[in-house]
Amino acid sequence: DIQMTQSPSSLSASVGDRVTITCRASQIISTYLNWYQQKPGKAPKLLIYAASSLQSGVPSRFSGSGSATEFTLTITDLQPEDFAIYYCQQSYSTPRTFGPGTRVDIK
Amino acid sequence: QGRLVESGGGLVKPGGSLRLSCAASGFIFSDYYMNWVRQAPGKGLEWIAYISSSGSPTFYAEYADSVRGRFTISRDNARSSLYLQMDSVRAEDTAVYYCATEQDYGAVDFDSRGQGTLVSVSS
Repeated sequence: DIQMTQSPSSLSASVGDRVTITCRASQIISTYLNWYQQKPGKAPKLLIYAASSLQSGVPSRFSGSGSATEFTLTITDLQPEDFAIYYCQQSYSTPRTFGPGTRVDIK
Repeated sequence: QGRLVESGGGLVKPGGSLRLSCAASGFIFSDYYMNWVRQAPGKGLEWIAYISSSGSPTFYAEYADSVRGRFTISRDNARSSLYLQMDSVRAEDTAVYYCATEQDYGAVDFDSRGQGTLVSVSS
């Protein structure tokens, strides 16, 4: 199975900050990497698919990059509604494993 | 925006069975692969299984404490419904269960209005 790791596990940031979250895969997954946002008590929301494609309706302050085994999610101009947990997921092979998540808190 | 509504969760004893349902609307259900994903209380997301648009093939998680051999994913395209039959449940199956469509590149798309269905396994 492909293992996914994320760093940091949590971070504190202020409104307006630029935030970067890293996701690493235990083997090459090309660009089969997706990013999700989850708020308490809510279903996850797909933000980015195929490493860098923005899901319809997602604000352009979210962006993704990377390939092979290393990927990043960047949030520019952090907004109050962006404080949440972010997960990466590989869809290169089954099982479609998720990373452990990165919590973004208000500083 | 399509709608996915999960149901069928509840309290079940270890070793028991439960059948979860997911009612889809607002999109052509039979066009999409479908997934089940779960989240134990206070934990991260765990992918469980997916099923092709026609109903075969299906794929299950096979990692430690996996569901393969105990859970069965199925669908009824005529009813626009997805199912998860859960047998021989264990305490570690306690979680919120979400259904989701499969999008391009295998990304999983949840219903942002959905809350999943909670399964609690306890004696």
